[in-house]
Amino acid sequence: GQSLEQPSEVTAVEGAIVQINCTYQTSGFYGLSWYQQHDGGAPTFLSYNGLDGLEETGRFSSFLSRSDSYGYLLLQELQMKDSASYFCAVRDRRDDKIIFGKGTRLHILP
Amino acid sequence: GAVVSQHPSWVICKSGTSVKIECRSLDFQATTMFWYRQFPKQSLMLMATSNEGSKATYEQGVEKDKFLINHASLTLSTLTVTSAHPEDSSFYICSASIGSARNNEQFFGPGTRLTVL
Repeated sequence: GQSLEQPSEVTAVEGAIVQINCTYQTSGFYGLSWYQQHDGGAPTFLSYNGLDGLEETGRFSSFLSRSDSYGYLLLQELQMKDSASYFCAVRDRRDDKIIFGKGTRLHILP
Repeated sequence: GAVVSQHPSWVICKSGTSVKIECRSLDFQATTMFWYRQFPKQSLMLMATSNEGSKATYEQGVEKDKFLINHASLTLSTLTVTSAHPEDSSFYICSASIGSARNNEQFFGPGTRLTVL
């Protein structure tokens, strides 16, 4: 089966940098994704890592190490609007399902 | 970009009634759609994979007779919660991906908040 571990909550200060880690266990790995979800809203896609290394999209970057079954999401120049829950997700190559981690709630202090 | 809609956005019903939720891909065809359930402050739990023209694949622990899924066309999947009970109250979200996308990107509908009295 699949499982993902990420911290339940992280707190950071506006303007700072925060890293949200994710470790995964899956039998047919096919990429690690990150999604953002504001309260009451639907998840929105942030980034994807299919290969090892860093992917950068504006203030957000995501990293993957397949040998360590580990990835992280890096958020820079934090803004209050970044307060949300962040989910890592893996896609199982065998059945194409995408399984989500339990989510990390990011609190940003002014 | 790809847009997925859901209807209704919220529904309140009496215990014992059935509720149908529609999920539509508006500007692309989706051979596969996914249905998730989310309780407050919790993660998205995959309920089932909806395949156009065939039976849905349900996750372990999800009652297929209670949560009926029909994927009648390449742009529409429906989830019917039959004989709803208060414990079925939750946020139901569907998603779809564009077949050629290799980056796992799922496009989510806005969700349907179900409250069963």
